[in-house]
Amino acid sequence: QITLKESGPTLVKPTQTLTLTCTFSGFSLTTSGVGVGWIRQPPGKALEWLALIYSDDDKRYSSSLKSRLTITKDTSKNQVALTMISMDPVDTATYYCAHFSGGRRFDPWGQGTLVTVSS
Amino acid sequence: QSVLTQPPSASGTPGQRVTISCSGSSSNIGGNTVNWYQQLPGTAPKLLIYNNNQRPSGVPDRFSGSKSDTSASLAISGLQSEDEADYYCTAWDDSLNGYVFGTGTKVTVL
Repeated sequence: QITLKESGPTLVKPTQTLTLTCTFSGFSLTTSGVGVGWIRQPPGKALEWLALIYSDDDKRYSSSLKSRLTITKDTSKNQVALTMISMDPVDTATYYCAHFSGGRRFDPWGQGTLVTVSS
Repeated sequence: QSVLTQPPSASGTPGQRVTISCSGSSSNIGGNTVNWYQQLPGTAPKLLIYNNNQRPSGVPDRFSGSKSDTSASLAISGLQSEDEADYYCTAWDDSLNGYVFGTGTKVTVL
C-alpha cells in the first residue's frame, strides 16, 4: 500500500522561503519510471501542478513557477522536498504530494497540508 | 494557470446521466492520455479514470471516460448523492513539458 504525507510550516511570512517535505512508503524512488510530484490548491480554486521528480533525478517544473521552485529527493529517507522562494499571500494553498507512475498519473495523493502566507 | 477548460458546474437528479467536457490542444490531450480525478469535499483528489477510459480497481462502472482529438469527456451514469464532488481532467503537455490540470467542474446532485 502506497502512502504519502506532507509536512512543513503552516504559516510563512511574505518574502520567506517555504520548504515542504513529502514522506512516503510502499514504493521506492529508485524504481525506474517512478516519480513524486507536488500539486497545490488555493482555497476554493482549482488544482495546479508545481513540480515532479523522477527516480533518475530528472526534474520538471511548472513553467510559470520554475524560477521559484526546487524539488529534491532523499531516497534513503523516502522523502521528497519542495522549496519555494519569495512566498506571497497568493501562494496560500493546500499543498499535496503524490506518487507518479509510469502511466503519467498521480495516484495516490497525500492528505495535503495548508500553508498560509501572511505577515 | 489551467490549460484544460471544463464547465464550472454540472448537475442532475439521482439516476440521471451527467457528462463533463474537457477541452485542450494538440500539445496535451491531442497527444497524450487523459486522467480524471474526483475530489470530495474536504479531501484529497482521487484517481477516477486513467489512460482516457480505464477505471482503477474500486471505481464503480458508472464512471466512464472518452477522448476524441483534443477533447475528453467524463460521464457519470446513474448519478448518486455521493457523486457530489469536484472533478478535474489532466494530461501531460508536451509544449510546457509538464502536467496540466483542468479548471474543474463541480457536480451537484439535485
